[in-house]
Amino acid sequence: DAGVIQSPRHEVTEMGQEVTLRCKPISGHDYLFWYRQTMMRGLELLIYFNNNVPIDDSGMPEDRFSAKMPNASFSTLKIQPSEPRDSAVYFCASSPGRPGELFFGEGSRLTVL
Amino acid sequence: EDKVVQSPLSLVVHEGDTVTLNCSYEVTNFRSLLWYKQEKKAPTFLFMLTSSGIEKKSGRLSSILDKKELFSILNITATQTGDSAIYLCAVGVTSLGGSNYKLTFGKGTLLTVNP
Repeated sequence: DAGVIQSPRHEVTEMGQEVTLRCKPISGHDYLFWYRQTMMRGLELLIYFNNNVPIDDSGMPEDRFSAKMPNASFSTLKIQPSEPRDSAVYFCASSPGRPGELFFGEGSRLTVL
Repeated sequence: EDKVVQSPLSLVVHEGDTVTLNCSYEVTNFRSLLWYKQEKKAPTFLFMLTSSGIEKKSGRLSSILDKKELFSILNITATQTGDSAIYLCAVGVTSLGGSNYKLTFGKGTLLTVNP
């Protein structure tokens, strides 16, 4: 298996622009997680899905953030409009659905100017 | 709110030293505690602990969990420069009813091993 695949790897955009981050989880994994990592706050859970259904989005910072999982093999995290404080590395991770490890993608590094 | 606190936040040692990293937690519906190593990219899995007092070991790394005192330690003996990384502690919790599972991470410990 190729592992969790994220795109783009790097994104530089200007304040106010829309940003869409993409994730393909490991086939057969029921859970998908979106995390954001910054020096100040560490790894924060934004939202997670179970069988494509959003379970907990309490970590989504504002209405500017939204996430979807239209099918078992694809998820998006959208920021509209983006702000400089959104600059971070965004990780997608998937899990087979039992207590255990998460498998992380390589991350998408977002810079908002 | 679930809390996972790691200490120290950063540590600088010389090759050959032994280090101990700490992780304490305060969560609802604990299921597991995991350690990850993060170099330049994604976190990679090291250990998962679910039972108190049982040491997990992999080479020079070992870890143990104390569910009564709500903490875990990660030991690295005979450190090497390749051990330089951020070490992340995460606690797995289930939702009420136990049907869903998520990991809450600490902020990590940045370990630097100098030659």
